[in-house]
Formats: sequence, C-alpha cells, structure tokens
Amino acid sequence: NAGVTQTPKFQVLKTGQSMTLQCAQDMNHEYMSWYRQDPGMGLRLIHYSVGAGITDQGEVPNGYNVSRSTTEDFPLRLLSAAPSQTSVYFCASSMGGDNQPQHFGDGTRLSIL
Amino acid sequence: GESVGLHLPTLSVQEGDNSIINCAYSNSASDYFIWYKQESGKGPQFIIDIRSNMDKRQGQRVTVLLNKTVKHLSLQIAATQPGDSAVYFCAENTEGFKTIFGAGTRLFVKA
Repeated sequence: NAGVTQTPKFQVLKTGQSMTLQCAQDMNHEYMSWYRQDPGMGLRLIHYSVGAGITDQGEVPNGYNVSRSTTEDFPLRLLSAAPSQTSVYFCASSMGGDNQPQHFGDGTRLSIL
Repeated sequence: GESVGLHLPTLSVQEGDNSIINCAYSNSASDYFIWYKQESGKGPQFIIDIRSNMDKRQGQRVTVLLNKTVKHLSLQIAATQPGDSAVYFCAENTEGFKTIFGAGTRLFVKA
C-alpha cells in the first residue's frame, strides 16, 4: 500500500515557467489537499477537494490551480512560476467526513530561479 | 484570524526523559486536534488525536492533554528516544475538515 505518492521529489524552474505537481493516493480517500511549507513555518493550505469534481480554495490559493477528475489524483498546477513559490509542497488525503487525520506524501521540493 | 501556535520553538531533552510539547489554539469552536511528527525530508506523520469532548487520550508512549478552558494542548512523550527527534506540529480542524497547523517545535534528543 503506497499511501500518498508525490512526483517529482525535486524540481527547479525558471520564473514564468509552468508545471504540474502530481499527487496520487490509493486509499480511496474522499478528501485531498495541497499545502506549502516554508522554512520555520507550519503548513499552509493552498487548495482542497472533498470529492471528485469538487475543489475549493484554501488559505494561499493565488498562482495555483487544481482539478480532481478522479478520486485517486489531485494535481497542482503552477501557471507562471514566481520566486515566492519556492517552497516544499505536500499533498494529503483523508477519509470523508469530519475529524479524520490526514495522510501526507513526502513532498516536492520546488525552487524557482 | 484563527491560529494555532506553539510556546517553544525548540526543545532539548535527555534520552530516557519525558518530553512535553505545548500548543495554544485560539479557535474556541474547533472540536478536533491532532499532533503530527515530521522527520527531515518526510511529510508529517499522524501521532495522536483528540476530540473536544475529551481531556486526555493515550497512545503508545504518547499522551495528549486538552484544556479547553485555557485553549491549550500538550503532547507528552514518555521515555524519549533518539528516534523521537523531529519537528512536532499541533493542528486543529475547522469546518470539520480544514486543518490549521501551528509553526512546529523541534525536539532534540541527547544521547
């Protein structure tokens, strides 16, 4: 059971480039989320989804898009990368319903030059 | 806005001692709290959770205490081991699903 899988693990982009961070889970979880983690800080919610076809904005959504066409996958798109988006990105999933712990991937370390 | 924070950014303990990591939260409507452990290069890992209708919950070597009167959460680790060295985050669930994380406490275990 792989859990939550994120690819790539590392990526370097130039300002203005676009890319997609992949996230897949094999636990049939309804809820999925994307977070970013900056040095010395906790995780901040970017976007989340409570089921296939449903997405919503979190705390810091600007500059990012998401879609949820299947239960398993929840890709995060950077439309035009900016240095301020240099961060570690974590994807998480949890069972449907309230008050469930989240399962996290190991992150994508993204640097924007 | 609502926030979850930690009193101490770093904690150093001797191997075998007990560790206590504290957390303050500000959203009195939150009804679910979680502790996560994050090792270097890894994603956060669930340790233990507690619902607001409880004030204590025990796991294997870990105990979470919740004091709703002063909006305080703590994680106690018994007989701390080198493998416990990590960053620990407290988090609260709002709106039943959205999770707000504190800034984290780094735990150092001295051999």
